[in-house]
Amino acid sequence: ETGVTQTPRHLVMGMTNKKSLKCEQHLGHNAMYWYKQSAKKPLELMFVYNFKEQTENNSVPSRFSPECPNSSHLFLHLHTLQPEDSALYLCASSQDPGQGEEKLFFGSGTQLSVL
Amino acid sequence: SQQGEEDPQALSIQEGENATMNCSYKTSINNLQWYRQNSGRGLVHLILIRSNEREKHSGRLRVTLDTSKKSSSLLITASRAADTASYFCATDAWDDKIIFGKGTRLHILP
Repeated sequence: ETGVTQTPRHLVMGMTNKKSLKCEQHLGHNAMYWYKQSAKKPLELMFVYNFKEQTENNSVPSRFSPECPNSSHLFLHLHTLQPEDSALYLCASSQDPGQGEEKLFFGSGTQLSVL
Repeated sequence: SQQGEEDPQALSIQEGENATMNCSYKTSINNLQWYRQNSGRGLVHLILIRSNEREKHSGRLRVTLDTSKKSSSLLITASRAADTASYFCATDAWDDKIIFGKGTRLHILP
């Protein structure tokens, strides 16, 4: 148990559906991240939130919409996705970005399939 | 973009042997980290080495860093079946973005 919980673990959705991924961290960390992991590709950093403020949007399509209501919760709202968006979506948290030794704590991920 | 590139992509060894994985990166870094991922799960932090360090140990893990060659290696000694996983290096270049490579898939044969 890493202290970062993601739900759901698996999600199958059609291209016209709207769904949300949820992440919660119980570590008292100040930063939260969304990563996308596709087969045979490096982990792609999608979004970074530091003290609830978005500090990074790595050219992610607008069909992915993050929300960070507080330092412990992070959501990824999904709408009109494409089949190529099928991947493992990983949430992570870290203590305090900018201190030079950030270690990421990951959730188990949501395996998303877009039909 | 800055990115770690692991080598080899896949590695199979007998239980008890040592496993060595390498990572190369492109630009100067603040630190380099290694993570492990079991199939379908999240990544777990293993070890961090700062740019001013050359070698670090943690249990059966030994990490080296050569900033002149922009490379790092992860050595797992006396491998066990439970070490079967994917291993990723990740670089932190002072900009709070931790960037991962594609990983090395390690398979320990009984």
